[in-house]
Amino acid sequence: GENVEQHPSTLSVQEGDSAVIKCTYSDSASNYFPWYKQELGKRPQLIIDIRSNVGEKKDQRIAVTLNKTAKHFSLHITETQPEDSAVYFCAATYSSNDYKLSFGAGTTVTVRA
Amino acid sequence: GAVVSQHPSRVICKSGTSVKIECRSLDFQATTMFWYRQFPKKSLMLMATSNEGSKATYEQGVEKDKFLINHASLTLSTLTVTSAHPEDSSFYICSARDLRRQGGNTIYFGEGSWLTVV
Repeated sequence: GENVEQHPSTLSVQEGDSAVIKCTYSDSASNYFPWYKQELGKRPQLIIDIRSNVGEKKDQRIAVTLNKTAKHFSLHITETQPEDSAVYFCAATYSSNDYKLSFGAGTTVTVRA
Repeated sequence: GAVVSQHPSRVICKSGTSVKIECRSLDFQATTMFWYRQFPKKSLMLMATSNEGSKATYEQGVEKDKFLINHASLTLSTLTVTSAHPEDSSFYICSARDLRRQGGNTIYFGEGSWLTVV
C-alpha cells in the first residue's frame, strides 16, 4: 500500500508570510496528489491537486510542486491570511490504476494576525 | 465543483443497535465511492471501496461484517455500522470520484457523519 508522511504537524506563521508543507510517498506508481483543507467538523475541501506528469501547479496564492524522483510533493501558501488557518492534508493514490487515497497525518496551520 | 451529500450529519445510537449512513453523488454518477473514518485531530483512514453492483473492497483490519457497505445505484452508497459499540464513535466520511474531470480521478468528499454510540 501507499505510505504518506507529512511534515510539519503544526505550523504557525505571521499573516502575510508564506507557509510550506511537505509530504513524501512510498509508491512510485502513485500518479495523483491532492491537497485538502479541513476546518473543524467539516469535510475536507480540495484546494489544489497535481498529477504525475506535471512538476508544478499554481492557483493564485497556492502552489504545489512534485518531485517524482524523490517521491515528495509540497504545498506552498503565499501571503497567508487568517482564513488560511485550518488543518491541511496531503494525499496520494495507492497506485497508478487505483483511486484510493492515502492521507498524510495532517498539518495544523495557524496564521497569526 | 461536484456535490457529494451525506446523511445524517449527526447520529446518536445505543450500544448494540445498527445505524445507516448514506452517501449520494448529486450531480454525477459514481461507480466508485470510498468510506473513511476520522478520529478527532487525526487523519482520514480508508475503510473500504464501494463498488456499484458488486461487493465492497475492505482495507486490512476493517471488519466487513461490522461495517456493511451497499452500492445499489450509481448515485448512492450506504454504510451500516452493525451492533455499534462506543469505540465505533467517530466521524465517518465518504467520497466519490468524478469521472468527468480531467484524468477522471478528482475526488470529492461528503459532509461527514458524526456517530456517537452511547
